[in-house]
Amino acid sequence: DAGVTQSPTHLIKTRGQQVTLRCSPKSGHDTVSWYQQALGQGPQFIFQYYEEEERQRGNFPDRFSGHQFPNYSSELNVNALLLGDSALYLCASSLGGLETQYFGPGTRLLVL
Amino acid sequence: AQSVTQPDIHITVSEGASLELRCNYSYGATPYLFWYVQSPGQGLQLLLKYFSGDTLVQGIKGFEAEFKRSQSSFNLRKPSVHWSDAAEYFCAVGSDSNYQLIWGAGTKLIIKP
Repeated sequence: DAGVTQSPTHLIKTRGQQVTLRCSPKSGHDTVSWYQQALGQGPQFIFQYYEEEERQRGNFPDRFSGHQFPNYSSELNVNALLLGDSALYLCASSLGGLETQYFGPGTRLLVL
Repeated sequence: AQSVTQPDIHITVSEGASLELRCNYSYGATPYLFWYVQSPGQGLQLLLKYFSGDTLVQGIKGFEAEFKRSQSSFNLRKPSVHWSDAAEYFCAVGSDSNYQLIWGAGTKLIIKP
């Protein structure tokens, strides 16, 4: 049983560019949450997708957007990248809402 | 405001010694509480969770945590640590009416041989 997978593992972009990160949830899970983890900090909730809709959003600007596909996989898009967007981006899947969230290994984004 | 505080940034413990990691929270609703562990280069793994019921919860890898409502705490304990327990530990809080997990800043556990 594959767990949560994320791609790519690492990414380097320059300021102003756009990036798309991808997540495949654990088999049987229908909910995907995205988190940003800056170096030395705990994860910060970006948003959660359920039934292809954004169900809840954290305190992130509109530059951060997402999508969930009918197979429950998800994308995180960040436009107009800033240096401060450099972080580890974590995807977590669950069945329903706040049931146990299973995390992927993350995508490390570096913005130069 | 909702928040989670992990007062200890680093903790150093000798192998075989007992461990307690502290977590305090401020949350308006009845909390759901979680402890996760993150090893270098790896994702977050759930150690244990508390939703309701018995306030002493058992988790994986020999960890346990106790929910104390009066102290707004959910401290993580292990009677005897192993070198493989060296990692960063995160406490998180949520609720049944809020899908957002609020996280602490983490405690890095260092094991002395």
